[in-house]
Amino acid sequence: GAVVSQHPSWVICKSGTSVKIECRSLDFQATTMFWYRQFPKQSLMLMATSNEGSKATYEQGVEKDKFLINHASLTLSTLTVTSAHPEDSSFYICSAIKTGVWWLNTEAFFGQGTRLTVV
Amino acid sequence: GDSVTQMEGPVTLSEEAFLTINCTYTATGYPSLFWYVQYPGEGLQLLLKATKADDKGSNKGFEATYRKETTSFHLEKGSVQVSDSAVYFCALRLTGGGNKLTFGTGTQLKVEL
Repeated sequence: GAVVSQHPSWVICKSGTSVKIECRSLDFQATTMFWYRQFPKQSLMLMATSNEGSKATYEQGVEKDKFLINHASLTLSTLTVTSAHPEDSSFYICSAIKTGVWWLNTEAFFGQGTRLTVV
Repeated sequence: GDSVTQMEGPVTLSEEAFLTINCTYTATGYPSLFWYVQYPGEGLQLLLKATKADDKGSNKGFEATYRKETTSFHLEKGSVQVSDSAVYFCALRLTGGGNKLTFGTGTQLKVEL
């Protein structure tokens, strides 16, 4: 299967600082990537859709100025948590969409996730 | 809106026991259905999928059948192993939904010797 690499796998930062998380598709090009947030013992909450070359589309309730998304190339999307606070501590997961010949063969591949702890 | 409901965990089984994790969905239109598995500290991996009614997805001994009449996609395995311990997510994707996945809350499976 295809590989999506997310970096870093964990990060601890001080309250008020910013943290950047990278999501790379290593062996395919991804026009679309998604960013999720996962709370303990809960499902994945879609934060935003990242489209290469255009602005990200944020889900309702997600602050676009706090969670900056940049999809600079077909293999890289970044999520920057700005002015982080303890309530931003969470597990963040990205996925990259590999488009198949047929839409039904299109598949999402997930990064390993990033554990963010804000102290 | 579209949603996925999974049975709550954790589910604890002995090795070689039979596994069923229930999943039902609500969706407008005809979704594709998926099961993903998340091992500790890792991202999600696709386990199996089904794209239309009565399709059966299968992989690594797991299987699930897309039941339109009951809007269900229950995950089953005849004999679980300790290595199957993980969190399992049921998900749906709508046709024309921009490849967005809607996930259930996940079910943690613990398999003991």
